[in-house]
Amino acid sequence: SQQGEEDPQALSIQEGENATMNCSYKTSINNLQWYRQNSGRGLVHLILIRSNEREKHSGRLRVTLDTSKKSSSLLITASRAADTASYFCATALSGGYNKLIFGAGTRLAVHP
Amino acid sequence: EPEVTQTPSHQVTQMGQEVILRCVPISNHLYFYWYRQILGQKVEFLVSFYNNEISEKSEIFDDQFSVERPDGSNFTLKIRSTKLEDSAMYFCASRGSGAGTNTGELFFGEGSRLTVL
Repeated sequence: SQQGEEDPQALSIQEGENATMNCSYKTSINNLQWYRQNSGRGLVHLILIRSNEREKHSGRLRVTLDTSKKSSSLLITASRAADTASYFCATALSGGYNKLIFGAGTRLAVHP
Repeated sequence: EPEVTQTPSHQVTQMGQEVILRCVPISNHLYFYWYRQILGQKVEFLVSFYNNEISEKSEIFDDQFSVERPDGSNFTLKIRSTKLEDSAMYFCASRGSGAGTNTGELFFGEGSRLTVL
């Protein structure tokens, strides 16, 4: 079974607009993280939210976590063409603070 | 800024050949990982390594795979007899441990693209 699933699979917006990506997961987690991947490159950590946190901000990023619904959202405000990338949520499971399980990702395209 | 480095960036091999992918994790990190990403698909966990032994492995990490930390800096993934379906991008990652470094964040290398013909 899939641990993390993002939606939408793809998102196309204009510069200046906000982008919202959602992630759902199935089991209890220790924390949830969001990563960014430019085409053909490695993953870059964006933000981590712990299971006892509900919202976190970092620059133009806002992450929410609803453990009752087992879901998280990533909001990128005032998007730029340089934000074009794939975004992945990843969960670190409770009781096993070891590996991360990645979702399928959202491909974001920001048009100038 | 410290980074995880991987070599080679791209390797082409014939089916049945052995391949070794190399990684140099961040120097004070203690947890090491290999992930793979088949083109256009999700990032899949292969194996985690801590204290000179495998701490967890996935179903993908079968007997043809092995990992090693031969010295204090390198972390390698060996695929003994490559198959066509092993074609993927392989990512190494590391994580710190202890006060100040154990943020839970993984630091990824740029990946090694493996093409099996």
